[in-house]
Amino acid sequence: DGGITQSPKYLFRKEGQNVTLSCEQNLNHDAMYWYRQDPGQGLRLIYYSQIVNDFQKGDIAEGYSVSREKKESFPLTVTSAQKNPTAFYLCASTEWGNENLFFGSGTQLSVL
Amino acid sequence: GENVEQHPSTLSVQEGDSAVIKCTYSDSASNYFPWYKQELGKRPQLIIDIRSNVGEKKDQRIAVTLNKTAKHFSLHITETQPEDSAVYFCAAKAGGGKLIFGQGTELSVKP
Repeated sequence: DGGITQSPKYLFRKEGQNVTLSCEQNLNHDAMYWYRQDPGQGLRLIYYSQIVNDFQKGDIAEGYSVSREKKESFPLTVTSAQKNPTAFYLCASTEWGNENLFFGSGTQLSVL
Repeated sequence: GENVEQHPSTLSVQEGDSAVIKCTYSDSASNYFPWYKQELGKRPQLIIDIRSNVGEKKDQRIAVTLNKTAKHFSLHITETQPEDSAVYFCAAKAGGGKLIFGQGTELSVKP
C-alpha cells in the first residue's frame, strides 16, 4: 500500500458530527482528488486540487470541505450538512501531465 | 458537462468466454477514455486506456474500441478467467477537464 495512504479504513459518524478523512501521498504528485463510491453509482468527484493552496468543487461538493496546505496531504471533512454520508471514499492523485489516477485503499464511512 | 453511461451493471460469463462492457459519453470534446478494475475490497487500478486519435488498443486478453462518431467505447476481455471477476469502470475526460466515471459493471466469471 505504498504511495497513497488513506486513514482510517473504517469511520463512524454520529449525528451532527464533523469527521475528517486523511489522505497522504509520497509520490510527489501535483493533483489530488476525492471520490465518493456508492453501489450502482460509480465514482463521483467531490473535490480536487491541482496545486497547493488551491482546490475546486467537483460534482457533489455540498456538505464536504477540503484543504491543501501541503502537496502531500489532502484531507476531506464530511460536515453535519452532508445528510447521507454513508459511502466508500476514495482519494486519488495524478502526476502533472499524466491522466492515470492512482487510488488509495479507501475509507468506509458509516453513520451511527 | 460530460455524462457517461455504462452497461450492463452486472455480467456473468463462463470461464473461457468473452465479456464485453459498453460505455457512451455525451461530450464530443472528450479525448481520453480509461478503464479501471476494482477487485473486491481493493482500490481501482487502471487496466487500459485509449485516446480519441486511436480506434482500438489491445493488451494481451484486453482490448478497448472507440467509436467517436457514435460516442461510445467498449472493453473486450477474451478467454476470461476467475481472476477477471471484479467491478470495471469506464471513464471519459475532455481536455483539461475532470474524469467522469460510468456506474460500473460487476463481472463474475464462473469456473
